[in-house]
Parts: sequence; C-alpha cells; structure tokens
Amino acid sequence: QVQLQESGPGLVKPSGTLSLTCTVSGGSISSSNWWSWVRQPPGKGLEWIAEIYHSGSTNYNPSLKSRVSISVDKSKNQVSLKLSSVTTADTAVYYCAMSTVIVAGTEWFDPWGQGTLVTVSS
Amino acid sequence: QSVLTQPPSVSEAPRQRVTISCSGSSSNIGNNAVNWYQQLPGKSPKLLIYYDDLLPSGVSDRFSGSKSGTSASLAISGLQSEDEADYYCAAWDDSLNGYVFGTGTKVTVL
Repeated sequence: QVQLQESGPGLVKPSGTLSLTCTVSGGSISSSNWWSWVRQPPGKGLEWIAEIYHSGSTNYNPSLKSRVSISVDKSKNQVSLKLSSVTTADTAVYYCAMSTVIVAGTEWFDPWGQGTLVTVSS
Repeated sequence: QSVLTQPPSVSEAPRQRVTISCSGSSSNIGNNAVNWYQQLPGKSPKLLIYYDDLLPSGVSDRFSGSKSGTSASLAISGLQSEDEADYYCAAWDDSLNGYVFGTGTKVTVL
C-alpha cells in the first residue's frame, strides 16, 4: 500500500522560503493519482494548499497561489512544495496526501502522510 | 476562510447517535462529491466517507454519510470513546477551483 513521508526543515525564518518534500513508497508517483499538500496551523482546521499530477498539471489554493510552487520528481518518486515570503501565519503541520480523482469535482485524499511541523520564527 | 460550515462541537453519551452537519453552496457540495475525514488527537486525518456516502475498506459501518442539496451530514451510531476526534467535511469548489475543508467538528463522548 502507498505510504507518504514528509521531510524538510522544521524552522524557517520570516520572509524566507519553506521547502518540503513528500516521498512516496509502495506505489508510483506516475500512477493515475494527484498529489496534494494540506496544512493545519496549531489548534486550527485543515487548509488545502495545492495539488499536482505527474504530467505537471497543477491546481493551487487561490489564497496562496502567488507564493506556492509544487513539483514532482519522478526519478525519486517525490513531490515537493515551496512556499515563499513566509510569516508566522504559515506555522503549521504540513501533510502530503494522495488524491483520487474519478471525474472533475470528485476527489478525495487517502492516504495521508504523518505530517511535519514547520515553525516560522526568527 | 472555510466555505463549508460545521458546528464547532457535538457531544453525546456512549452507544447513542450523533449527527454532524456541513453546510456549503452550489459551487461545492451542491455540485460535487462530499468527503469526510476523521482526525484522532495527535494523528493525521483519515478518510472516513467518500463520494457522499461510501465507506473505505476497514471503516466501521457505524459511520454513514448523506447529502441533500447544498448540505451534507455525517452520522455516528453506537458512539464509542474511540470516536472522540475532530471531523472535517470537504469538497471541490468550482468557483475557487480548489479543494475546501469544513471548519471542523469536535466530537466528545460523555
């Protein structure tokens, strides 16, 4: 079964760039699935960030689109996320998840990675 | 920012039934599939219901989902202490061209 593991720096300075990687095991990133990033600030709810298909097609949360970049590395079976110009409001647990899309508008996330806490602080 | 509205919390005694509502609009719930996720304390979210009312393999049939118009509901029957968690509805939003989550509901077993 597919397993996801997030990795990256746990501390990022304000105005810097947050960079995370999600390594996919037990399956191919080139399968017929999308790959998403979701975040959760401490004590708060879930927020979808972006998603990507192995072909390079992407969708972004409009509220974050100007600062976010998502990419895939097929050779490493990885999905990467970059979030620029971070502030303390970007402090959150960041999850990657595999998205199943049957037709447009029919999408769900399963499984999820364990998540990684990123703190924005000087 | 959430466009899907849920009650902040619900509570009920063991073995009882609870229902969590999720209110949206024609651009999300009214036109697309609704999914529900369970997040146990300190854990990653887990898919609980997909495509409005389908249960993933391994999920207890005490959980059920339904949808009507621009609202959806999650019901938990035979409430157990292990059901204490946060629950989120979610759907694709055509206007935002993105995935949206509900505000989340904390379930407490009295």
